[in-house]
Order: sequence, then C-alpha cells, then structure tokens
Amino acid sequence: QKEVEQNSGPLSVPEGAIASLNCTYSDRGSQSFFWYRQYSGKSPELIMFIYSNGDKEDGRFTAQLNKASQYVSLLIRDSQPSDSATYLCAVNRPGGGADGLTFGKGTHLIIQP
Amino acid sequence: DAGVIQSPRHEVTEMGQEVTLRCKPISGHNSLFWYRQTMMRGLELLIYFNNNVPIDDSGMPEDRFSAKMPNASFSTLKIQPSEPRDSAVYFCASSFGYNEQFFGPGTRLTVL
Repeated sequence: QKEVEQNSGPLSVPEGAIASLNCTYSDRGSQSFFWYRQYSGKSPELIMFIYSNGDKEDGRFTAQLNKASQYVSLLIRDSQPSDSATYLCAVNRPGGGADGLTFGKGTHLIIQP
Repeated sequence: DAGVIQSPRHEVTEMGQEVTLRCKPISGHNSLFWYRQTMMRGLELLIYFNNNVPIDDSGMPEDRFSAKMPNASFSTLKIQPSEPRDSAVYFCASSFGYNEQFFGPGTRLTVL
C-alpha cells in the first residue's frame, strides 16, 4: 500500500520568509514526485515535479528529493499572501503507462502579511 | 484549450438514487483519472484509464461504483445506489502519458 505522509498544519509563515513543506513516502519504488497547490474550493494545480535526487528550482519554488530517506520537500522563498493554500505531495510509480497519483492529505500554509 | 470539463458541478441527491458524473478530458490526452476528495481521507485515486482501457480500479470503494470510458473524449463515474458516505468532491484529471495531470473543477456530491 502506497502511503504519503504530510503534516496537516496549519503552517504559519510571515510574508517574505521561506516556507518549508515536507513529505515522506513509503513505497521505495516511487520514481516521480509532485507538489500540487490547492486553493479552497478549487482543484489541485501542479507547481513542481522532481524525478532525481537533489534540488530543482523554478522561480521562488525549490523541490528537494532524497530517495534514500524517502523524503521530498518544497521550499517557497519570499512567501506571498497569495501562496496561502493547501500543498499536496503526490507520488507515482510508472509502469507500462501513466499511473495514478497517491496524494498526501496536504499541508495548510498560511502566509501572514 | 477549455481544460478538463466536468458536469454537473454540484449534485444533491437522496440516498438510494443513482448518480452519474461526467468528464471530458483535454483533447489529445490519453490518460484519464477519477479521484475523490474528503476531509477525512484526502484525495484518493478511484480508477484510471489509458487509451480508454481501465488499468487500475483498486481504488473503487465497492461494487456500487462503476466507471466507463466509451471513447477518448468522454468518461462517466456512476454510483448506484448512492449513500451519504459517498458525499465528497469528485475530480477528473487527464494527462498525456506520464506528463502533468490536469484536474477538472470537480463535482461536489451531497447525498442526503
């Protein structure tokens, strides 16, 4: 059974600071890792994906992956009030075609102006 | 591009009634996914299709749930009979291969 664990929060961060979101997963065969953002009442939208160990940067966002520790994180630099949302970590294990995602329950992030 | 289209956006029904949720994936995408989101269980994969063929339905909670994809541009998720515990937001998502999954706006289902 694939499991993805996240701290539900809320995580409160002052505007302009770095927000750090963490996720652990149980399936060592997992190969692809995703961070989705979901605003209240809206659908999830992809903000980052990472396949290889190390860091991947995209604008204010950095995803970090450590497969040995089965750990993936998301850093948001210069946090803005518009970053306030629930962040969902997801993993898949491709095999013969597109695979469905296993999601964590999400971390509720609040950026305080 | 119109994105993933789901209908209806809201559905309120009584226990025991049949519910049909509809999804039109993004044109050109060959994979379609049905997810369910509740506060208690989060976002869960119910079933997914590749090239219109169901690949994994292990997430379907029980026989009351069924899904079809008769062609590349349409899928349905049916609940018969519905129960109050089926109340949730149901999302449809599509992708091309392993690429990004795009989610539809969801259908908020309330079973009284």
